[in-house]
Amino acid sequence: GIQVEQSPPDLILQEGANSTLRCNFSDSVNNLQWFHQNPWGQLINLFYIPSGTKQNGRLSATTVATERYSLLYISSSQTTDSGVYFCAVERGLGDDKIIFGKGTRLHILP
Amino acid sequence: DTEVTQTPKHLVMGMTNKKSLKCEQHMGHRAMYWYKQKAKKPPELMFVYSYEKLSINESVPSRFSPECPNSSLLNLHLHALQPEDSALYLCASSLGLAGGAQQTQYFGPGTRLLVL
Repeated sequence: GIQVEQSPPDLILQEGANSTLRCNFSDSVNNLQWFHQNPWGQLINLFYIPSGTKQNGRLSATTVATERYSLLYISSSQTTDSGVYFCAVERGLGDDKIIFGKGTRLHILP
Repeated sequence: DTEVTQTPKHLVMGMTNKKSLKCEQHMGHRAMYWYKQKAKKPPELMFVYSYEKLSINESVPSRFSPECPNSSLLNLHLHALQPEDSALYLCASSLGLAGGAQQTQYFGPGTRLLVL
């Protein structure tokens, strides 16, 4: 099946810093989502981005489908950005499953 | 409204108890999902319902029994669970299962289950 690898696994930053999270996937995808899981467990949908670039406030994401990777940029980090960021992909071959990467655990220090 | 609600938020149960988890969405989505998430791991898919019919069962033990009474509601009935079943149980929904944007998933806040 499709493999999804996220890097780095852990990241500790000072408040105000910028960061780039990466998601590599092993096959072409029909759907790619970025999620933020806050410390209380809520998974928040950040972007649906199978290709191209999107921005939402301090967050932006770029997916280069031909090279099978996606990047999530967080600028001017805040402590509320702490949590785990998951990339999840779906191949669109009718197998109905979204595959999650193992996540990047981000800790923003005040 | 992009909200998926789950009740209860927390649940403690003994190995002989029977309990149910509930999930509800009013976004008109026709696909609903149950996931199990252990600490420091990604969510693991358990079941998928499409148009109220079970579409995927990821070889989940029979002590977990899903039910989709209508397109807005999804239940997970629990019976004779083991301590290793303690986890965060997440419900999600999407427009459908046709792939692409249709499968953009929206998650509920989860139920934290502890089995003693």
